[in-house]
Amino acid sequence: DVKVTQSSRYLVKRTGEKVFLECVQDMDHENMFWYRQDPGLGLRLIYFSYDVKMKEKGDIPEGYSVSREKKERFSLILESASTNQTSMYLCASSHIGPPEGPDTQYFGPGTRLTVL
Amino acid sequence: GQSLEQPSEVTAVEGAIVQINCTYQTSGFYGLSWYQQHDGGAPTFLSYNGLDGLEETGRFSSFLSRSDSYGYLLLQELQMKDSASYFCAVRDRNYGQNFVFGPGTRLSVLP
Repeated sequence: DVKVTQSSRYLVKRTGEKVFLECVQDMDHENMFWYRQDPGLGLRLIYFSYDVKMKEKGDIPEGYSVSREKKERFSLILESASTNQTSMYLCASSHIGPPEGPDTQYFGPGTRLTVL
Repeated sequence: GQSLEQPSEVTAVEGAIVQINCTYQTSGFYGLSWYQQHDGGAPTFLSYNGLDGLEETGRFSSFLSRSDSYGYLLLQELQMKDSASYFCAVRDRNYGQNFVFGPGTRLSVLP
């Protein structure tokens, strides 16, 4: 059974703290993604990675950084947390498939981060 | 850039049929996917259309018209467990391996 796990389901941090969100997948997928989900806005891509040590900015990278030192692990870092980063954070992974294919993304359970 | 539009909410009764529409604007369309997300859960893949027409998977079907930049998800014989949010997502050749997700449609199934 495919699995994407995230380090925490709920997290409460204070403004200015450095926050690490960890994601691990056991499917040997090349692609990994970090999204944030806010009501009415759907899923917005923060960063993604095609391979180890590779990273690309998504739609809303400001205030975030990522690290991918191993294929199975993709970390999202909030260098200095702010209240507007309170959100649900979802990690996903997928194989690199043909462009015309479904390239199904498998999601983790999410981390609900509250920044006070 | 890309943009997708979906109705924000849909309500139907058990046993009914419901259609959730998705219109998109993208410069390099590859295909349209649908994901389901229950409250507190992770999005899970439902279906994909790379070509025009209807794809059927059990009670769920998905349709695509590339010329109209339009697709829909059709849910038949609705069950209470179908109450969830449904997202359409577009693959765009100008966006690499990534999807752009719509804002989601909240489906409520009433007894």
